[in-house]
Amino acid sequence: DQQVKQNSPSLSVQEGRISILNCDYTNSMFDYFLWYKKYPAEGPTFLISISSIKDKNEDGRFTVFLNKSAKHLSLHIVPSQPGDSAVYFCAASYAYSGAGSYQLTFGKGTKLSVIP
Amino acid sequence: DAMVIQNPRYQVTQFGKPVTLSCSQTLNHNVMYWYQQKSSQAPKLLFHYYDKDFNNEADTPDNFQSRRPNTSFCFLDIRSPGLGDAAMYLCATSRDKGIGKNIQYFGAGTRLSVL
Repeated sequence: DQQVKQNSPSLSVQEGRISILNCDYTNSMFDYFLWYKKYPAEGPTFLISISSIKDKNEDGRFTVFLNKSAKHLSLHIVPSQPGDSAVYFCAASYAYSGAGSYQLTFGKGTKLSVIP
Repeated sequence: DAMVIQNPRYQVTQFGKPVTLSCSQTLNHNVMYWYQQKSSQAPKLLFHYYDKDFNNEADTPDNFQSRRPNTSFCFLDIRSPGLGDAAMYLCATSRDKGIGKNIQYFGAGTRLSVL
């Protein structure tokens, strides 16, 4: 049973336009969410995160939005650049009682292609 | 640059022949993780170490073992690889537990092929 779902395996966007990558989760205990970017032949690289006490976090061209009631988050990339072409993974974690949070549950990823 | 290094990048083994994958880190992080990722799938956590404290996921097969002799190194041992164990194996580290401290930093992975 997938607790973190990325329903779009791929997305193509024109350079300069906005890329929107979506992620849904089912476990209401998740309280910290992360996005990772992965280039071929490399490991995933941390991109941006958001805590459940916020509904938006911004870092340069990247913004993550969290809608807790819908159990949905999205990553916006504006403007999109060809170098953004990669696989993007959504991940979620929650605090274990007395132990802190460390485990990440990943989605399957969305392959973004930014067309020049 | 501080980083997570996995060796080898590509490993070919024979069905049933034990294989060891290695991971080292210069980040001095407390936690080290091993993930298995098959094509078009999410990375799946196999186990992790918090310092020397080993934590196995409930559904990790007994065929998979791990060792962490010191802070910097962690090994994944596959005792009798089957065809279904062919995958990308990712090592990751995080500074600690807790919100904001569990951002994980990944190595480039080892792609394992089983013949």
